[in-house]
Amino acid sequence: GNSVTQMEGPVTLSEEAFLTINCTYTATGYPSLFWYVQYPGEGLQLLLKATKADDKGSNKGFEATYRKETTSFHLEKGSVQVSDSAVYFCALRRSNDYKLSFGAGTTVTVRA
Amino acid sequence: SAVISQKPSRDICQRGTSLTIQCQVDSQVTMMFWYRQQPGQSLTLIATANQGSEATYESGFVIDKFPISRPNLTFSTLTVSNMSPEDSSIYLCSVEVMHTASYEQYFGPGTRLTVT
Repeated sequence: GNSVTQMEGPVTLSEEAFLTINCTYTATGYPSLFWYVQYPGEGLQLLLKATKADDKGSNKGFEATYRKETTSFHLEKGSVQVSDSAVYFCALRRSNDYKLSFGAGTTVTVRA
Repeated sequence: SAVISQKPSRDICQRGTSLTIQCQVDSQVTMMFWYRQQPGQSLTLIATANQGSEATYESGFVIDKFPISRPNLTFSTLTVSNMSPEDSSIYLCSVEVMHTASYEQYFGPGTRLTVT
């Protein structure tokens, strides 16, 4: 079946530090991959996506590259801000299925 | 994208009662979903709300506990029935839309339910 594995948190960083959140997946075929962000007390927001191998999704300084050979979709940001403190979810959608499979979520706290 | 609103945003309910959550989308969508997010956990799909027919429930969720309505392409409700403290969660609705030649799911702000 489909599954998504994220690095465990919580992750605590200082402002302007480099952030990486690892995400690997198990799925047949060529799923679409997503990163969602959930700010405190809010719903989920779509942060970025990639739909085929070697695609790079980017938004708000965040990037993730769809790596078919390593079945990974790691999220990176070069210089985090306090406002990036949130829970980040990796997710996949198979090409023939509307259901999203979510990772467990990674809590990121950025200190000033 | 799609703009989704939910009502209520939060509620505190007594065990044994029921709560109906509303989800409104700003455009017509075919696919609408209900998720549960238990405290500190990831999201679990409850059901797909189908317009004009019964909802499709995921394993572990039943219609008697979580009845769903979908009267049109912009609105749905989820009822949490005969609540117990274990039902304390965030309930989110989402919709799927086509954007830049691929599907995306957008989520509402969630309804934070506490059962005492």
